[in-house]
Amino acid sequence: LAKTTQPISMDSYEGQEVNITCSHNNIATNDYITWYQQFPSQGPRFIIQGYKTKVTNEVASLFIPADRKSSTLSLPRVSLSDTAVYYCLVGDGNTDKLIFGTGTRLQVFP
Amino acid sequence: EAGVAQSPRYKIIEKRQSVAFWCNPISGHATLYWYQQILGQGPKLLIQFQNNGVVDDSQLPKDRFSAERLKGVDSTLKIQPAKLEDSAVYLCASSFSGGALEQFFGPGTRLTVL
Repeated sequence: LAKTTQPISMDSYEGQEVNITCSHNNIATNDYITWYQQFPSQGPRFIIQGYKTKVTNEVASLFIPADRKSSTLSLPRVSLSDTAVYYCLVGDGNTDKLIFGTGTRLQVFP
Repeated sequence: EAGVAQSPRYKIIEKRQSVAFWCNPISGHATLYWYQQILGQGPKLLIQFQNNGVVDDSQLPKDRFSAERLKGVDSTLKIQPAKLEDSAVYLCASSFSGGALEQFFGPGTRLTVL
């Protein structure tokens, strides 16, 4: 299965914008890109989903370049409560299986 | 709206013992997923059901793992016999249908195999 990679960790301060990138160079042609947030001892929680270009909702934006080989989750003005692990989820182009990324641990400091 | 329910939340067993996990998805959700999440890693899909039929079980170690979803609602995942490397959190998720739709996850069952 193709690997879906993310930076292991990121640090930020409250009020800053955070951008987390996921590399998925073998994404399935017709598949969406979905991002989840996970707190300790909880299951992942949906943040945002997109297919191409840019998607924005009340908590985040998702940027997807034309080749769709990567995506960037943007969290505007993070707070302490945004400290969590963030995962991207895509379908593999060869097997069409759902693959979670390696996860990025975001630590927000006051 | 009630979320995805899982039980037990924690389980400790010795290797070669058997264990079963239960999941009750959100009402009306046709698709149910079981994931294995090893500490420090992203969830790995074990099996996906659409109603009571299996869509994908290619990453399920079928020599020791089994899962069923009778009547297309609740589901159980069983491990028999357990190995040390099965220690992980087992997550159940559901979605209204398969494909690109948002998955709703339960809190997971943390399994420790000694």
